[in-house]
Amino acid sequence: NAGVTQTPKFQVLKTGQSMTLQCAQDMNHEYMSWYRQDPGMGLRLIHYSVGAGITDQGEVPNGYNVSRSTTEDFPLRLLSAAPSQTSVYFCASSYSGQGVKSPLHFGNGTRLTVT
Amino acid sequence: GQQLNQSPQSMFIQEGEDVSMNCTSSSIFNTWLWYKQDPGEGPVLLIALYKAGELTSNGRLTAQFGITRKDSFLNISASIPSDVGIYFCAGQGFGNEKLTFGTGTRLTIIP
Repeated sequence: NAGVTQTPKFQVLKTGQSMTLQCAQDMNHEYMSWYRQDPGMGLRLIHYSVGAGITDQGEVPNGYNVSRSTTEDFPLRLLSAAPSQTSVYFCASSYSGQGVKSPLHFGNGTRLTVT
Repeated sequence: GQQLNQSPQSMFIQEGEDVSMNCTSSSIFNTWLWYKQDPGEGPVLLIALYKAGELTSNGRLTAQFGITRKDSFLNISASIPSDVGIYFCAGQGFGNEKLTFGTGTRLTIIP
């Protein structure tokens, strides 16, 4: 059981480039989300999805797009990368909601550097 | 956005020592969660607290849901090398499923 799989593990972009961070889960979880982790800031929610075809904004959505065409996949797109988007990105999923009785399962992260 | 104040930011201790960290908020939470992040990995849930005043243990870890609903505490007894990592608290409000994470406490064990 792979759990939550994120690719790539590391990425370096130049300002203005675009890319997609991939996230896949094999636990049949309805809820998926993206967080960014910055020093001294903890984890901040970017976007989330409560099921296929449904997405919504989190705390820091600007500069990021998401889509949820299948239950398993929840890619995060950076259309025009900026240095402020240098961060570690985590995808997380749970059976429902954000984990009162259904804990979030996190991937191992993607470390993104924008120069 | 709302954030939780977590302290201390970092701790340097010797193996065998006990550890205490806490999280405070200006808002009331319905649920408190504690996660641990090992280097190079994503956070993993350690303990979940659902009632004000609740005290819950998981092995050497003990966490408490503050009676005011605005704070939570995590204690680790007799620390061992595998306790190294970053500990995050997270709170969930009433009628709002989004989690708010603390800024983390980095635990280092000095040889």
